Amino acid sequence: GENVEQHPSTLSVQEGDSAVIKCTYSDSASNYFPWYKQELGKRPQLIIDIRSNVGEKKDQRIAVTLNKTAKHFSLHITETQPEDSAVYFCAARKVEYGNKLVFGAGTILRVKS
Amino acid sequence: DTAVSQTPKYLVTQMGNDKSIKCEQNLGHDTMYWYKQDSKKFLKIMFSYNNKELIINETVPNRFSPKSPDKAHLNLHINSLELGDSAVYFCASGDPVGQPQHFGDGTRLSIL
Repeated sequence: GENVEQHPSTLSVQEGDSAVIKCTYSDSASNYFPWYKQELGKRPQLIIDIRSNVGEKKDQRIAVTLNKTAKHFSLHITETQPEDSAVYFCAARKVEYGNKLVFGAGTILRVKS
Repeated sequence: DTAVSQTPKYLVTQMGNDKSIKCEQNLGHDTMYWYKQDSKKFLKIMFSYNNKELIINETVPNRFSPKSPDKAHLNLHINSLELGDSAVYFCASGDPVGQPQHFGDGTRLSIL
């Protein structure tokens, strides 16, 4: 089955700097890759996603890149702000009946002001 | 209106008891899920139902029994609770192959 690895497990950056979180997946049939942000005590919330027919997607300060050949995808946050501090999860899904998402282990991002 | 709502938000109970968590979604999605998030924050799928039919069962102990009376509701009943069941349980909904999954606010289960 699918296996998703996520690095780093913790990341501290200075406010205004960029943050990059990387994930690799094992199943080349996976074709949908969402990123979720989870603040302390809250639910995971989708922040951006990318499908396998696209190499990059941007939404304001957040971007995701996908390298299908290498089977890895990354989340880029520019001009980080203290409110970006949270746990970020990547996930991978194969289009099949059931829509099963496999999550990475999460990255704790701390933005220091 | 909350899109995916689950109750209760907190559940504190003794080992050996039986408890239920309820989930409802008003997004019109066909598929609902239960996830377990352990103390290390790892999110793992437990079950998925599509239109009241069980489609994913991730080798969860049979003390856990999901029930879907209709496609807008997916409840989770847990028998004979054990210490290791302490976790946050998230309900989510989505379409089988289309839309992203949306999560409820979670139920924090603590076993004494």
